[in-house]
Amino acid sequence: GENVEQHPSTLSVQEGDSAVIKCTYSDSASNYFPWYKQELGKGPQLIIDIRSNVGEKKDQRIAVTLNKTAKHFSLHITETQPEDSAVYFCAASITVGNDMRFGAGTRLTVKP
Amino acid sequence: EPEVTQTPSHQVTQMGQEVILRCVPISNHLYFYWYRQILGQKVEFLVSFYNNEISEKSEIFDDQFSVERPDGSNFTLKIRSTKLEDSAMYFCASSDRGLNEKLFFGSGTQLSVL
Repeated sequence: GENVEQHPSTLSVQEGDSAVIKCTYSDSASNYFPWYKQELGKGPQLIIDIRSNVGEKKDQRIAVTLNKTAKHFSLHITETQPEDSAVYFCAASITVGNDMRFGAGTRLTVKP
Repeated sequence: EPEVTQTPSHQVTQMGQEVILRCVPISNHLYFYWYRQILGQKVEFLVSFYNNEISEKSEIFDDQFSVERPDGSNFTLKIRSTKLEDSAMYFCASSDRGLNEKLFFGSGTQLSVL
């Protein structure tokens, strides 16, 4: 089955700096890659997603890149703000008929 | 903005007891899921549900677990005889776009088995 690895497990940056979180996956059939933000006491919230037919997607300060050949994808947050502090999860799935596998999470701390 | 709601937020139970975790998915969604997260660990898939039947389930979802959509709005997870290792945060999720796409998660139910 699919196995998703996520690095780093913790990341601390200064406000205004960029943050990058990386994930790898094992199943070449996976074609949907979402990123979730989890704040304390809340469920994961989808912040951006990408499909395998796209190499990069951007939404304001957040971008995701995908390298299907290498089976890795990354989350980039620019101009970080303290409210970006949370745990971020990557995930991978085969769209139809399979379950979504999550990475172990990255605790991002943005210091003011 | 529509959201997935879960009740209760916290559930404490004795080992061997049955528990039912309740979820109200987003109203026009058709795909429903349960995930769990043991403290400090990955979010793990339990089961997906579509058209009134289980679409997929993980190895975690054994005979002690069952799901039901008793009416047009609720989606429940039942654990028949809880074990200590069932202690976790249980998340319900729903989607309108097909299996595993654009999941919207609830805030979770923290289950503590004593």
